[in-house]
Amino acid sequence: DAGVIQSPRHEVTEMGQEVTLRCKPISGHNSLFWYRQTMMRGLELLIYFNNNVPIDDSGMPEDRFSAKMPNASFSTLKIQPSEPRDSAVYFCASSLRGTGGYEQYFGPGTRLTVT
Amino acid sequence: DAKTTQPPSMDCAEGRAANLPCNHSTISGNEYVYWYRQIHSQGPQYIIHGLKNNETNEMASLIITEDRKSSTLILPHATLRDTAVYYCIVRVEQTGANNLFFGTGTRLTVIP
Repeated sequence: DAGVIQSPRHEVTEMGQEVTLRCKPISGHNSLFWYRQTMMRGLELLIYFNNNVPIDDSGMPEDRFSAKMPNASFSTLKIQPSEPRDSAVYFCASSLRGTGGYEQYFGPGTRLTVT
Repeated sequence: DAKTTQPPSMDCAEGRAANLPCNHSTISGNEYVYWYRQIHSQGPQYIIHGLKNNETNEMASLIITEDRKSSTLILPHATLRDTAVYYCIVRVEQTGANNLFFGTGTRLTVIP
């Protein structure tokens, strides 16, 4: 299995620029999650989708953040405009809803640095 | 969801069993106990979960007390690669809402 694929693995950008993070979930999984991890706040859920539909976006910090899932095999997390405080590792995870478990499979993460 | 309490850090000698405790005294009857771990610079990894009975898989064993107010994750023969942050999570099984809340976890260091 390829596992959850995220790109890019590292992103360095300047404040004010648009940043797009990409995720390909495990084939057959129907739930997808975006998390952010920082030293100060730990691992936080930003948004998650079931069957490509956003279910809970209460963790999205502000309107500068948006996420889409146009199909079952692809999702994006966009930050526009980016700010230095957005610097973090962003993880995507997927799971198979309905299995009765919370076995989420995480990608390797994207380390974002905003200068 | 019930809150969990874990020690911030623990050490374990290589080859010995690592026993990681978790307190979840406010757990309700339909909440499961999950364990994940995060090795440095990697995404979290699912380990095991259980409701009432003890569980075992190829990675670890999960011991849940009879009153379900606490549990212990056991790594039977810890290796250096088991050095990681271990998260204990309790969550209701809902097919429509399966998000996880990661607390601060326990940083396990396996010592050679």
